[in-house]
Amino acid sequence: NAGVTQTPKFQVLKTGQSMTLQCAQDMNHNSMYWYRQDPGMGLRLIYYSASEGTTDKGEVPNGYNVSRLNKREFSLRLESAAPSQTSVYFCASSVGTSVIHEQYFGPGTRLTVT
Amino acid sequence: AQKITQTQPGMFVQEKEAVTLDCTYDTSDPSYGLFWYKQPSSGEMIFLIYQGSYDQQNATEGRYSLNFQKARKSANLVISASQLGDSAMYFCAMRENAEGGYSTLTFGKGTMLLVSP
Repeated sequence: NAGVTQTPKFQVLKTGQSMTLQCAQDMNHNSMYWYRQDPGMGLRLIYYSASEGTTDKGEVPNGYNVSRLNKREFSLRLESAAPSQTSVYFCASSVGTSVIHEQYFGPGTRLTVT
Repeated sequence: AQKITQTQPGMFVQEKEAVTLDCTYDTSDPSYGLFWYKQPSSGEMIFLIYQGSYDQQNATEGRYSLNFQKARKSANLVISASQLGDSAMYFCAMRENAEGGYSTLTFGKGTMLLVSP
């Protein structure tokens, strides 16, 4: 049971380049999330998918798009990377979106945009 | 207003002592969940403990306990008998209901705990 996996672990992009961060979970969870973590800011929600076929914006969605490919996979795309998107990106999943459901996190992707 | 406030940027404790990490929250929703996560230097986020707003008793998980004071809107994490491996960043987080019946997780800025021998 791998839990939540993310690829790649590290990435360096030039301003204007695009890339997709991949996330997969094998816990049969319905809900998945993308966060970014910046120094001194804690984690902030970018997008989430409450269930397969739905996606919604979080706190900081600008500059990102997401795709819930199937129940297991949830990808995050940067169409035109900017230095402000330098951050650590975490994917997470949970059974559902009830207030009682804890989220399980992947190992993170460290992205640098130059 | 911040939803989750962690007022201690850093805490120091000696091995085998107990330590309390503070967390206060702000919500008008009667139904919410409070969570603590640990982030060691390796970077992963590890779920530690959960407390529901309707739970009558404080949550405990091994050496971790959550001191839940609903009227004060505080959810402090208590780590008993600290170990060197407890050195990490600790995040308090809250889930509350939003429009559409969904809920999302809001994090505090974290507290860095250092355990010394």
